[in-house]
Amino acid sequence: NAGVTQTPKFQVLKTGQSMTLQCAQDMNHEYMSWYRQDPGMGLRLIHYSVGAGITDQGEVPNGYNVSRSTTEDFPLRLLSAAPSQTSVYFCASSYSYRGGSEQYFGPGTRLTVT
Amino acid sequence: GDSVTQMEGPVTLSEEAFLTINCTYTATGYPSLFWYVQYPGEGLQLLLKATKADDKGSNKGFEATYRKETTSFHLEKGSVQVSDSAVYFCALSDLTTGNQFYFGTGTSLTVIP
Repeated sequence: NAGVTQTPKFQVLKTGQSMTLQCAQDMNHEYMSWYRQDPGMGLRLIHYSVGAGITDQGEVPNGYNVSRSTTEDFPLRLLSAAPSQTSVYFCASSYSYRGGSEQYFGPGTRLTVT
Repeated sequence: GDSVTQMEGPVTLSEEAFLTINCTYTATGYPSLFWYVQYPGEGLQLLLKATKADDKGSNKGFEATYRKETTSFHLEKGSVQVSDSAVYFCALSDLTTGNQFYFGTGTSLTVIP
């Protein structure tokens, strides 16, 4: 199993540009999520999904869209990049969204918006 | 709402020293508790977990006990190594609000030879 994969590893955008961060998992996990990690703030949940066709907002959803058309893929779209979105983004998946299931994390995407 | 508070870092220890990283939580229901570790340039990896009160999670010499009476899940290791240098995150997921995981802000540990 490849686990959770993310592409790209690094990205530089100009303000106003859009892009999609890709995330895929091959473990047939029902729960997937996106976090951003900023210094001193830990991980903050952006969006999550409890199954194909179902998504919901987390703590910091503004400026981001997601979709879950398949169990495997959970892309994160930045609609119009802003410098405040400079961060490291992690995708994670879990067998179940119910308590007790650990999350598996991807290696992260480091995004810089100039 | 649910939340996790962990001790501020950074923490610097000499090799073979004893490690404690404090973690306390607030939860409305029946949380499961986790410790994750993040090595430089990598994603988070599960270190250990406990799913009910008085459970002890352990892995690679690290231990943490789920204490409901003190709402705590402190991480301990009796003798740290240079290779333990990383950022450690305490986290919870709550059955009653099961759609989200809550993370602490992370504690950076540096072990010097």
